[in-house]
Amino acid sequence: EDQVTQSPEALRLQEGESSSLNCSYTVSGLRGLFWYRQDPGKGPEFLFTLYSAGEEKEKERLKATLTKKESFLHITAPKPEDSATYLCAVQASVTGNQFYFGTGTSLTVIP
Amino acid sequence: NAGVTQTPKFQVLKTGQSMTLQCAQDMNHEYMSWYRQDPGMGLRLIHYSVGAGITDQGEVPNGYNVSRSTTEDFPLRLLSAAPSQTSVYFCASRVTTGAYEQYFGPGTRLTVT
Repeated sequence: EDQVTQSPEALRLQEGESSSLNCSYTVSGLRGLFWYRQDPGKGPEFLFTLYSAGEEKEKERLKATLTKKESFLHITAPKPEDSATYLCAVQASVTGNQFYFGTGTSLTVIP
Repeated sequence: NAGVTQTPKFQVLKTGQSMTLQCAQDMNHEYMSWYRQDPGMGLRLIHYSVGAGITDQGEVPNGYNVSRSTTEDFPLRLLSAAPSQTSVYFCASRVTTGAYEQYFGPGTRLTVT
């Protein structure tokens, strides 16, 4: 069964304190792994797509990496505006039209 | 481009009432989908469509109907609302082929009493 698990559920960081969010997945053939950011009361906003192990993508203070079993979202020197819930999703090759989401990591960055 | 739009933003229903959640996109995306988001459960796929006239069930389809008569619109119908359908509903769209990201609407918060 295709499954996505994110950890930790919640993370509080001081401004400037770097850390990583984890997304572990089991899927029957990975077609793509996606990271989204969701602010309270809003829809998820796309951040990155990763396709194969070893791939990395960067955007401002965020860097996403992918292995065969998990993905990490590294946040370098975060700012309060980075506070949000970060969601991970996978698209499997077998069930290509269905996407499976994790429950997210709620990040709070304290000034 | 407005992207993905949803109406209404908030809705309160009584048990047994019916209603339609509207979703439209102006990106000419073939693929559209509906999710519900509940605390601690993450986003779960209700129904999806890969083009006009084609729909399929997702993970949690019971109690919901969909149809796709145009590329732009993908309404979600609740035939007889139940308290278990209290949730936040998101519509999304994307290019159909390949591994491409979905673009989400702003959501509809539905409460069934």
